[in-house]
Amino acid sequence: QSVLTQPPSVSAAPGQKVTISCSASSSNIGNNYVSWYQHLPGTAPKLLIYENNKRPSGTPDRFSGSKSGTSATLGITGLQTGDEADYYCGTWDSSLSVYVFGTGTKVTVL
Amino acid sequence: QLQLQESGPGLVKPSETLSLTCSVSGGSISSASYYWAWIRQPPGKGLEWIGSISYSGGTYYNPSLKSRVTVSVDTSKNQFSLKLTSVTAADTAVYNCARGLVWFGEFVWFDPWGQGTLVTVSS
Repeated sequence: QSVLTQPPSVSAAPGQKVTISCSASSSNIGNNYVSWYQHLPGTAPKLLIYENNKRPSGTPDRFSGSKSGTSATLGITGLQTGDEADYYCGTWDSSLSVYVFGTGTKVTVL
Repeated sequence: QLQLQESGPGLVKPSETLSLTCSVSGGSISSASYYWAWIRQPPGKGLEWIGSISYSGGTYYNPSLKSRVTVSVDTSKNQFSLKLTSVTAADTAVYNCARGLVWFGEFVWFDPWGQGTLVTVSS
């Protein structure tokens, strides 16, 4: 199965910026949209970014997404303690007909 | 505001069948553009898409689970369900239901999600 690799953790002080990478092991996802999900333990995961770089209503503009080839990036600026969560990328693998999620990244606000 | 809520047994014995239901409120499950999904997260691990169904019964399954999974829909109750057969300890996970957007046969995103329910496989 395709793998989307993310760094296990990233951290920064309040007000700073972090970026989370999402790298695909297969070129099969190169033409498909990437989404990002925020998951605070004990709560429902939340769609944060869709179609590579679009924000649903309710997602602050501190969050941004981008994609290039088979890699995507989530950026968080003006880091807040409420941003401490696990973040997952996700996309459709056209070759295997399966939706795959990234390995997940824990964001810690120092 | 659309809301999803999972329900079902929290403990299932090995080799038995795991059965869960997702109740949808605040909107109709009979929406043409959407599929209704099951996604799980084993303890300490990442998210895994299990499968999805449309209101008319069209299904997509994760190939790695396809032989053991059945997803069904009951539009009269605004619910959809998951059955996973022959479970083992590896199926212990938090199971979430979610709404998925599908374009040209490919899933684009999942939103919203239910809070999830922990299912433990143990004798």
